[in-house]
Amino acid sequence: DAMVIQNPRYQVTQFGKPVTLSCSQTLNHNVMYWYQQKSSQAPKLLFHYYDKDFNNEADTPDNFQSRRPNTSFCFLDIRSPGLGDAAMYLCATSRERNSGSEQFFGPGTRLTVL
Amino acid sequence: AQTVTQSQPEMSVQEAETVTLSCTYDTSENNYYLFWYKQPPSRQMILVIRQEAYKQQNATENRFSVNFQKAAKSFSLKISDSQLGDTAMYFCAFVSNFGNEKLTFGTGTRLTIIP
Repeated sequence: DAMVIQNPRYQVTQFGKPVTLSCSQTLNHNVMYWYQQKSSQAPKLLFHYYDKDFNNEADTPDNFQSRRPNTSFCFLDIRSPGLGDAAMYLCATSRERNSGSEQFFGPGTRLTVL
Repeated sequence: AQTVTQSQPEMSVQEAETVTLSCTYDTSENNYYLFWYKQPPSRQMILVIRQEAYKQQNATENRFSVNFQKAAKSFSLKISDSQLGDTAMYFCAFVSNFGNEKLTFGTGTRLTIIP
């Protein structure tokens, strides 16, 4: 089945230790998104790629970076995780960037910062 | 800026009953899309239903239907014959049809179906 895969599902890191979360998709979609979702809150968009074009949200901290080496993969790098970065990180894809496109979500990576 | 409000943080209903989740939004735009997404416990978020603002007819998907009131900026989700698998967090979301394609989510409603 075509899908969005996130690895790992659970990640524990230490305060200030860089961490990378990965997302892959078999849908061949042009757009990939990264969201941060804190407990009992709505997902918050961090950034998205349209093909190789990177689009950062204005309020995304510089601590968060992303890479998309090819169509299938996208990475979220947190350079110096703080306690406030503990959250669920959701990857999503859509076929196109137009507003009616359905977004397909991965299962998420739950990040714990010690 | 657009805002989406879900006024029911939690709801519960007996299996096989009908439940309605409310959503209101604020926008000055005329063309946009509205979505309901479902996030089951420990599982990925999936699209339940989508409504295009220029379509007057309410969208339906099997047991799921919406009541879209454009003038009132209201977009409620009705789940008929509720099933245990409907237990999930439900998010209402808005996206403009112009420029910024960013989804704006509501804060969610946690729905529990009671056996």
